[in-house]
Amino acid sequence: DAGVIQSPRHEVTEMGQEVTLRCKPISGHDYLFWYRQTMMRGLELLIYFNNNVPIDDSGMPEDRFSAKMPNASFSTLKIQPSEPRDSAVYFCASSFILAGLGDTQYFGPGTRLTVL
Amino acid sequence: SQKIEQNSEALNIQEGKTATLTCNYTNYSPAYLQWYRQDPGRGPVFLLLIRENEKEKRKERLKVTFDTTLKQSLFHITASQPADSATYLCALDNTDKLIFGTGTRLQVFP
Repeated sequence: DAGVIQSPRHEVTEMGQEVTLRCKPISGHDYLFWYRQTMMRGLELLIYFNNNVPIDDSGMPEDRFSAKMPNASFSTLKIQPSEPRDSAVYFCASSFILAGLGDTQYFGPGTRLTVL
Repeated sequence: SQKIEQNSEALNIQEGKTATLTCNYTNYSPAYLQWYRQDPGRGPVFLLLIRENEKEKRKERLKVTFDTTLKQSLFHITASQPADSATYLCALDNTDKLIFGTGTRLQVFP
């Protein structure tokens, strides 16, 4: 398996623009997670899906952020409109089962987002 | 409040020595604790998982301990090598989620 795939790897945009980040999880994994990593706050969970259904979006910072998972092999994280404080590295991860049951997560390479 | 703390300062050690990284947590009761390695420009990679009823876990040059009374995990790399230089993150389960520490950067110099 190629692992978790994310695109783009780098995104530079201007404030107010819409940004869409994409993720393909590992085949067979039922859980998909979106994280954001910054120097100040570390790695934060934004939202996670189980079998394509959003389970917990309590980490999504604002209504400007939205995530979808239309099928088992694809998910998007959208920011509209983007702001400079959204600049961070966004990671997608997947797993068979949940951390609370002892599973580990497999991370993609991340998307480095810069909002000017 | 709930916290996971790792040394924010970088740990610099000489090749061949044992590196010891600390992870302390408060107001969590994890069933599992995990350690990940993160290289610059890459996503975290899983290294080891230890259960609450396990005191110690080993994998090659890596050793993890888990003390639920002290609410602390120690991560050891023996015979460290420059290739071990990276940021190491601890993570614990909070029911259905993994909560990550901010990581400790390890630098092993020849």
